[in-house]
Amino acid sequence: GNSVTQMEGPVTLSEEAFLTINCTYTATGYPSLFWYVQYPGEGLQLLLKATKADDKGSNKGFEATYRKETTSFHLEKGSVQVSDSAVYFCALRNNQGGKLIFGQGTELSVKP
Amino acid sequence: NAGVTQTPKFRVLKTGQSMTLLCAQDMNHEYMYWYRQDPGMGLRLIHYSVGEGTTAKGEVPDGYNVSRLKKQNFLLGLESAAPSQTSVYFCASSSTGDPGRYEQYFGPGTRLTVT
Repeated sequence: GNSVTQMEGPVTLSEEAFLTINCTYTATGYPSLFWYVQYPGEGLQLLLKATKADDKGSNKGFEATYRKETTSFHLEKGSVQVSDSAVYFCALRNNQGGKLIFGQGTELSVKP
Repeated sequence: NAGVTQTPKFRVLKTGQSMTLLCAQDMNHEYMYWYRQDPGMGLRLIHYSVGEGTTAKGEVPDGYNVSRLKKQNFLLGLESAAPSQTSVYFCASSSTGDPGRYEQYFGPGTRLTVT
């Protein structure tokens, strides 16, 4: 079946550090891939997505590339800010109209 | 544009009590979903609906019931609450449409504690 695995958190970084949050997936066919972000006390918001292999999704300085050969969709940002502190969820959706399957989430804490 | 709203924001129940969580969306979305979020387990799908009058089971449906009598509303019911149902509940909605435009929109959540 479909599944998503993320690196465990919490991840603690200093401001302006480089961020990588690993995400790998198992899926049949060619899923769409998503990163959602959850700020404290709020619901999830779509951060970026990619719908086919080699696509790069980007938003707010974050980016992730859909790598079919390694079944990965790692989230990166070159210079994190305190305001990026949140929980990040990787998710996939089978393009035959399936539901979102979420990873367990990775908590990021950025210190000044 | 309110998006997805949830009522109530917080609730404390005693074991065996019942309650209904209300989700409303004003984006004319066909699909609606109920998730629960527990520490270290991400979001797990409880029930979902692909249109008015339809419901279907998700990953963890036991102990919950849902109804979608109107397109804009999706209700989640707990008939006899148990401590294991202590969680944060999120509602979401999405349009159908092509995969390139698919996005789920989430409500702010309901924090439920069952004692």
